[in-house]
Amino acid sequence: GAVVSQHPSWVICKSGTSVKIECRSLDFQATTMFWYRQFPKQSLMLMATSNEGSKATYEQGVEKDKFLINHASLTLSTLTVTSAHPEDSSFYICSARSETSGTTDTQYFGPGTRLTVL
Amino acid sequence: GQNIDQPTEMTATEGAIVQINCTYQTSGFNGLFWYQQHAGEAPTFLSYNVLDGLEEKGRFSSFLSRSKGYSYLLLKELQMKDSASYLCAALDSNYQLIWGAGTKLIIKP
Repeated sequence: GAVVSQHPSWVICKSGTSVKIECRSLDFQATTMFWYRQFPKQSLMLMATSNEGSKATYEQGVEKDKFLINHASLTLSTLTVTSAHPEDSSFYICSARSETSGTTDTQYFGPGTRLTVL
Repeated sequence: GQNIDQPTEMTATEGAIVQINCTYQTSGFNGLFWYQQHAGEAPTFLSYNVLDGLEEKGRFSSFLSRSKGYSYLLLKELQMKDSASYLCAALDSNYQLIWGAGTKLIIKP
């Protein structure tokens, strides 16, 4: 149980284009989803916390107009990187908090999306 | 401020035992997580401790001391596939995860 999928696994795009990444909880309902970014050899950096049906809460330094988050249902959250630039190239990982598992507040991670902006 | 400290890198031998330590300072505390992350992959959940003591799960065990703000992950009978980064994360009073930078574990034959 507690499987999180992410699509696409990797994407290459031209500078200036927008990229949408989907995060789905497959076998549980996730009222809260998290979006992280990880640069090579660095730790996870929380970008935003997404609650179903409400606006996402962004961490300091993360541009909410550039990284659009939509948590439309209890099983789906999307991250859209608008007008992507090479410095946005990174590993984007979503996680979903399962409140029905035996472990309170465990976050289960999607497999990640590797974004390369040319 | 909130802070998680863990060693940057450790090396161990296949078949041996290794202990990865983690100390934390958070605003409130609602538990301590350990995740495993292989290079190029997302983290996978290993353990969660909220009460003091040792939780054993197969070859992996996790220990917590709330009074000392200290946890460790113990890996027994090390296998080459255990080579990965091990992330310690503490859940603060707002139920936000505070992440450590990770410990890169290198297993040698």
